[in-house]
Amino acid sequence: GDSVTQMEGPVTLSEEAFLTINCTYTATGYPSLFWYVQYPGEGLQLLLKATKADDKGSNKGFEATYRKETTSFHLEKGSVQVSDSAVYFCALKGSSNTGKLIFGQGTTLQVKP
Amino acid sequence: SAVISQKPSRDICQRGTSLTIQCQVDSQVTMMFWYRQQPGQSLTLIATANQGSEATYESGFVIDKFPISRPNLTFSTLTVSNMSPEDSSIYLCSVGSRQHNNEQFFGPGTRLTVL
Repeated sequence: GDSVTQMEGPVTLSEEAFLTINCTYTATGYPSLFWYVQYPGEGLQLLLKATKADDKGSNKGFEATYRKETTSFHLEKGSVQVSDSAVYFCALKGSSNTGKLIFGQGTTLQVKP
Repeated sequence: SAVISQKPSRDICQRGTSLTIQCQVDSQVTMMFWYRQQPGQSLTLIATANQGSEATYESGFVIDKFPISRPNLTFSTLTVSNMSPEDSSIYLCSVGSRQHNNEQFFGPGTRLTVL
């Protein structure tokens, strides 16, 4: 079945460092891909998405490109801030139109001043 | 985006009891889902709540343990029955609709602790 694999955390960076969180997926057909973020004590929020190959999703300085050839959707940010400290989840929605999301295990990011 | 509320926001329950969690959306939505997030883990889909018919459960989840209702397009409930400490988790409602480009929005979650 469909699945998502994320790099294990926690990831600890200094402020203004470059961030990459790896995400790869297994799916039949053409899934949509998402990054969700969960800030401490808050609910899950959609960060960005891409619905077809080569699409780039972006929001709040974060970017991720849908790479079908490598089945990847890595999250990047050029300069992280302390306020980016959160848990990041990669997810996919399969092409079967059931609407359900399959999540990766989540990666905790801690940014130190 | 859709605004979703859940009640209760948290609860501490005794083993063997049941808890019903409510999910209310501020607009009519096509899809409603219930997820579980166990401590330090990712989200796992429990079931899709279908309006006017029985919920569709994922592998490993059964109706007797997690009965779900969805009487209309803006409201759903999830009951966690005959609870054990292993049911201690955050339970999240999510919604999606064509109106919102089929994106899924999540409620704030219900943090359940079973003693």
